[in-house]
Amino acid sequence: AQKVTQTQTSISVMEKTTVTMDCVYETQDSSYFLFWYKQTASGEIVFLIRQDSYKKENATVGHYSLNFQKPKSSIGLIITATQIEDSAVYFCAMLRTGGYKVVFGSGTRLLVSP
Amino acid sequence: GGIITQTPKFLIGQEGQKLTLKCQQNFNHDTMYWYRQDSGKGLRLIYYSITENDLQKGDLSEGYDASREKKSSFSLTVTSAQKNEMAVFLCASSIEGTGCTEVFFGKGTRLTVV
Repeated sequence: AQKVTQTQTSISVMEKTTVTMDCVYETQDSSYFLFWYKQTASGEIVFLIRQDSYKKENATVGHYSLNFQKPKSSIGLIITATQIEDSAVYFCAMLRTGGYKVVFGSGTRLLVSP
Repeated sequence: GGIITQTPKFLIGQEGQKLTLKCQQNFNHDTMYWYRQDSGKGLRLIYYSITENDLQKGDLSEGYDASREKKSSFSLTVTSAQKNEMAVFLCASSIEGTGCTEVFFGKGTRLTVV
């Protein structure tokens, strides 16, 4: 069975700094996808970025990037130049290739202060 | 673009009552999901469906039924509401279960059991 663990419950940073959120996963599958989602204060959940397990290059979208360390089963989310509106809960998730069951972590709450 | 509409936004039921939550999507997505989010926690999969009339149990299916009579709609029934299952129920959809695309979420139905 797959499992996703986010050990950081909450993180506080100052605006315009860089923050890293940790995520480790467990799977028996050799091919899988890893995702990060953002849940805003309104409860809306939006997709941010994806890493395919067979790709060695870290994915980057805007000011979001990933630190994929496959031997450690780790997929960290890096947000550079944080903004107040980045304050939210961030969820890590995974899906095995060919599967349908997306497994989520428990989330990390990020607070960005001016 | 598309949208996932969940009704109702707020649902108040009596303990032991049977309650139904509805979800419609106009993305023309094949796969639909129901997740439960307890306050301050992650998302747990209740049911998913990979096509019309298909139903697959998630990790939290006990106490729930689901129905996918049309491709665009997916309903969830709480068979006997309990006070310990007050939570936000999130409907989601994706094009297919291969991980090639992200999961899109509705805004949720908040269930209160009195």
